[in-house]
Amino acid sequence: KAGVTQTPRYLIKTRGQQVTLSCSPISGHRSVSWYQQTPGQGLQFLFEYFSETQRNKGNFPGRFSGRQFSNSRSEMNVSTLELGDSALYLCASSSYQGGEFSPLHFGNGTRLTVT
Amino acid sequence: ILNVEQSPQSLHVQEGDSTNFTCSFPSSNFYALHWYRWETAKSPEALFVMTLNGDEKKKGRISATLNTKEGYSYLYIKGSQPEDSATYLCALGGGGADGLTFGKGTHLIIQP
Repeated sequence: KAGVTQTPRYLIKTRGQQVTLSCSPISGHRSVSWYQQTPGQGLQFLFEYFSETQRNKGNFPGRFSGRQFSNSRSEMNVSTLELGDSALYLCASSSYQGGEFSPLHFGNGTRLTVT
Repeated sequence: ILNVEQSPQSLHVQEGDSTNFTCSFPSSNFYALHWYRWETAKSPEALFVMTLNGDEKKKGRISATLNTKEGYSYLYIKGSQPEDSATYLCALGGGGADGLTFGKGTHLIIQP
């Protein structure tokens, strides 16, 4: 079974630009979550999608948005990039109903650098 | 905002020795406790998901215990091997709409 695939692996953007990150979950997984990791911080929850609906959202500004398609693939968009958005963005999928009782299966992440 | 603490922050252990580290969380906000292993240049890998007080789980040389009443979980590694070198993350599911709350991890280095 193929794992969680994130594209691109690396991205360099300029302040003020916008960016879209992509995540393909494990086949059959309907829950996709996104996390941000910055230096010195633990993984910070961005949002979770299940069956094309945003189920949960973390404490991030509205510049961070996402969506999920009917094939469970998910995209995350960050508009008006700021230097502080430089981070590793991890996508994770889970089986069954998702939520807190299912282990997360992570992708390798997208490393975003904002200059 | 839930606070999940992991200690120690980093740990150097001799190959062959056993070790353990701690994850602390608010006992009043508990639905599930996850442990992940994150090796350099790889993605985090799920080790355990624990839901019941007193739960003990084992995977090879790695085991974990859970005390939801006092709000802590221990991860044990028996007979450490170089391939155990990684950052070990715990994450709390608090039953709210905030996804999992991760600790900052324990960075384990096994010295040959």
